[in-house]
Amino acid sequence: QVQLQESGPGLLKPSETLSLTCTVSGDTISSYYWSWIRQPPGKALEWIGYIDYSGSSNYNPSLRSRITMSVDTSKNQFSLNLRSVTAADTAMYFCARENIYGVEGWFDPWGRGTLVTVSS
Amino acid sequence: QSVLTQPPSVSGAPGQRVTISCTGGGSNIGAGYDVHWYQQLPGTAPKLLIYDNYNRPSGVPDRFSGSKSGTSASLAITGLQAEDEADYYCQSYDSSLSGSVFGGGTKLTVL
Repeated sequence: QVQLQESGPGLLKPSETLSLTCTVSGDTISSYYWSWIRQPPGKALEWIGYIDYSGSSNYNPSLRSRITMSVDTSKNQFSLNLRSVTAADTAMYFCARENIYGVEGWFDPWGRGTLVTVSS
Repeated sequence: QSVLTQPPSVSGAPGQRVTISCTGGGSNIGAGYDVHWYQQLPGTAPKLLIYDNYNRPSGVPDRFSGSKSGTSASLAITGLQAEDEADYYCQSYDSSLSGSVFGGGTKLTVL
């Protein structure tokens, strides 16, 4: 059974860099695509981007200038860096496996999520 | 403002049938891209409910069904149960954004 677990700091100050890691168990990260999705409190889901085992990535255009994703196949982990955070980046951050066929796909399974708060 | 439009809320009594709509446009659902649905119970991560418009993953009851036509898709839930009370999200691919897009979510209340 595939499981994903997010980890990283829960509190950041404005202008800092958000760094999260997702550890995958029960599957090799060398298959599929691996995504980040966020959900501000009381709001809808927003796709952040995905990366594959080779480092090939695709980011949401609205966040592209601030995002870097990376993958560590030796640890079966992938990571998200979001630079210059503001209060608008406060959200629950989920990692998920993206089952892509062609260009489109669905997300399953998901991690339990980690809450990141940006506040001075 | 979400790219895919869902009603903010729907409700129904136990045993009844409800539907949740998801309306897109020519760069996503209308372009032929598939629609997927997720159920998010309070305080938990979203869970895949329907993929590729009408397919149910193993373990999802057949009370949940999906359909798609033109620029819209629908999720139907029959035989409503109290445990179905949750937020539901649709998701598709958008060629203008070159990535996945979600609906704004629909809160289902079981009366």
